[in-house]
Amino acid sequence: AQKITQTQPGMFVQEKEAVTLDCTYDTSDQSYGLFWYKQPSSGEMIFLIYQGSYDEQNATEGRYSLNFQKARKSANLVISASQLGDSAMYFCAMREPPRDDKIIFGKGTRLHILP
Amino acid sequence: DAGVIQSPRHEVTEMGQEVTLRCKPISGHNSLFWYRQTMMRGLELLIYFNNNVPIDDSGMPEDRFSAKMPNASFSTLKIQPSEPRDSAVYFCASSLVARIEDYGYTFGSGTRLTVV
Repeated sequence: AQKITQTQPGMFVQEKEAVTLDCTYDTSDQSYGLFWYKQPSSGEMIFLIYQGSYDEQNATEGRYSLNFQKARKSANLVISASQLGDSAMYFCAMREPPRDDKIIFGKGTRLHILP
Repeated sequence: DAGVIQSPRHEVTEMGQEVTLRCKPISGHNSLFWYRQTMMRGLELLIYFNNNVPIDDSGMPEDRFSAKMPNASFSTLKIQPSEPRDSAVYFCASSLVARIEDYGYTFGSGTRLTVV
C-alpha cells in the first residue's frame, strides 16, 4: 500500500505567486516524521523541511512552510513568493520511528515556475 | 565537510558485467541508505545500515544485488550480473539519527548507471 501520495504530477505557477504542493500519508503509528525534499534538474536531493507528528506548530523554514493537518493526514508544502529557481521536482517523505528508521518517498510533483 | 561522496558519477557497462558503486558517508553519521531512482518507480529504498549493520534489505530487488558496509566511512552496492533494467540513478544518503529532524538525510550526487 502506498504510504505517501502526491496527487499532482506537475504544476505550473507564475513567478512570485504562492504554491501549495499536496501530500497525504498513511500510517497507524502515533509517532512519525514528515519531510520535503527538492530535486532540481541537476539531480541532487536537497532537504527542505521537517514536521514531527507531535509538533503542535507548523514547521517553517524561510519561504517554505508545512501545512500539517494531522486528522486529515496531510502535510502540504507551501512555497511563498515563488522564484524561477524553485522549478524542480518536490518529494514528500515519511519516517516512522521507533518502529522504522527508513524514509519512504512519494512519487513527487514537478513544479514549473513561469516568468 | 565534503558531504556524501559517491563514485563513479556515471557508469556505462555491458549486460552481464559486475558493477560496484561506492559511497563515503559524512563523518559521524551513523545511518547509511542506498536508494534507486527511475522514472517508472520513483525513489526506492534498497537497503539501509545503522552503525555499519544492515537493518533492512527488503528493497533489494534480487540476489544479484548486494551491499556491504565494512566500516563507518565506506559502503558498496554491487550488482552481479548487471541487466539493462538495472539502469537508474543510485543514491547513497547518510544521517545522524539524533539530528534527522534538523537535517534529514544528506544525499550524495548519485551514480547514473546505464547497462547496455
